[in-house]
Amino acid sequence: DSGVTQTPKHLITATGQRVTLRCSPRSGDLSVYWYQQSLDQGLQFLIQYYNGEERAKGNILERFSAQQFPDLHSELNLSSLELGDSALYFCASSTQLGYTGELFFGEGSRLTVL
Amino acid sequence: ELKVEQNPLFLSMQEGKNYTIYCNYSTTSDRLYWYRQDPGKSLESLFVLLSNGAVKQEGRLMASLDTKARLSTLHITAAVHDLSATYFCAVDPQETSGSRLTFGEGTQLTVNP
Repeated sequence: DSGVTQTPKHLITATGQRVTLRCSPRSGDLSVYWYQQSLDQGLQFLIQYYNGEERAKGNILERFSAQQFPDLHSELNLSSLELGDSALYFCASSTQLGYTGELFFGEGSRLTVL
Repeated sequence: ELKVEQNPLFLSMQEGKNYTIYCNYSTTSDRLYWYRQDPGKSLESLFVLLSNGAVKQEGRLMASLDTKARLSTLHITAAVHDLSATYFCAVDPQETSGSRLTFGEGTQLTVNP
């Protein structure tokens, strides 16, 4: 158990809908990262937050957005869903103490768009 | 754009045999990570390599980093079935503060009895 908590674990929805994925980082970690894993794209970095502020953006679609709240949990919002958005979405966090760049991943949220 | 390439992408080996997975990357970096993923599960951190020449071992797995060649290897010694999983290497481009790991495509390892 990495200490990173993600909900929901599974989500099935229809095209055009909107969903929110939630992540709680490990205790004390200030950085949260979102990754998307799909068969055709592999593991893709979406976005990073550090202590409530956006720090870096990767291959995140405009239909997707994220935020990190004062209690450091983060939410990834996916809207106008398409079939191709079906994937496993991972949240990860990293420590600032003795920083090594190592990421600790949650169990993921599996999104199926029908 | 940083590219991380692993080979092979698929590896089927017999128990007791040795093999090496290679990870090449396209930009200067001295931070490389290996992760293991079981089907449908999370990514488990295996090794953190933070300097040229770094070598780390855990059980039947040993990882090394050659930053000059931009190459990392994951060596499997006397494979056992429990090692069957997908192995990813990831590189920190170190362009900005914080870690935004770029992952390879993964090597799907199957160890057969």
